[in-house]
Amino acid sequence: DSGVTQTPKHLITATGQRVTLRCSPRSGDLSVYWYQQSLDQGLQFLIQYYNGEERAKGNILERFSAQQFPDLHSELNLSSLELGDSALYFCASSVLAGDDQPQHFGDGTRLSIL
Amino acid sequence: QQQVKQSPQSLIVQKGGISIINCAYENTAFDYFPWYQQFPGKGPALLIAIRPDVSEKKEGRFTISFNKSAKQFSLHIMDSQPGDSATYFCAASSYSWGKLQFGAGTQVVVTP
Repeated sequence: DSGVTQTPKHLITATGQRVTLRCSPRSGDLSVYWYQQSLDQGLQFLIQYYNGEERAKGNILERFSAQQFPDLHSELNLSSLELGDSALYFCASSVLAGDDQPQHFGDGTRLSIL
Repeated sequence: QQQVKQSPQSLIVQKGGISIINCAYENTAFDYFPWYQQFPGKGPALLIAIRPDVSEKKEGRFTISFNKSAKQFSLHIMDSQPGDSATYFCAASSYSWGKLQFGAGTQVVVTP
């Protein structure tokens, strides 16, 4: 058990809808990362937050947004969903923000768009 | 565009054998190279990591070899066990780049 909690585990919705994925980092971790894993794109970094502030951005679509709250949990919002957004979404956390920080991954949210 | 190229895509090894996975990168700014292990239905878990000032790092049955001039690094799994059957990802990052770049993954199957 990594200590990172992601909810829900599975999400099924339709095109055009909006969903929110939630992540609780390990106790004591200040940095949260979001990744998308799909068969064709592999593991892709989306965005990183550190202590409530956005720190780094990857190939995140404009339809996607995220935030980290004062209690350090994070939410990833996906809107105007398309079939191609079907994927596993992982959250990871680390103690600090440096890129050599070990990242601890949750078990992911599987998003299926019908 | 894959920043980190990983091979092979899959490999089958007998119990007790050696599994070898290779990765190559282009960006010389990368200065941190971790390996992650992922089991079905689980998130990736950090296995071992290396910095370019070290040519080899060993932790138990897992060894990373690093060749800075060739911009290549590899994972060796010695005395492979059926419990090692998983997908392995190499990755790379740098402070200035700001994110982990993952390889495409290698599915390892260890037969009894």
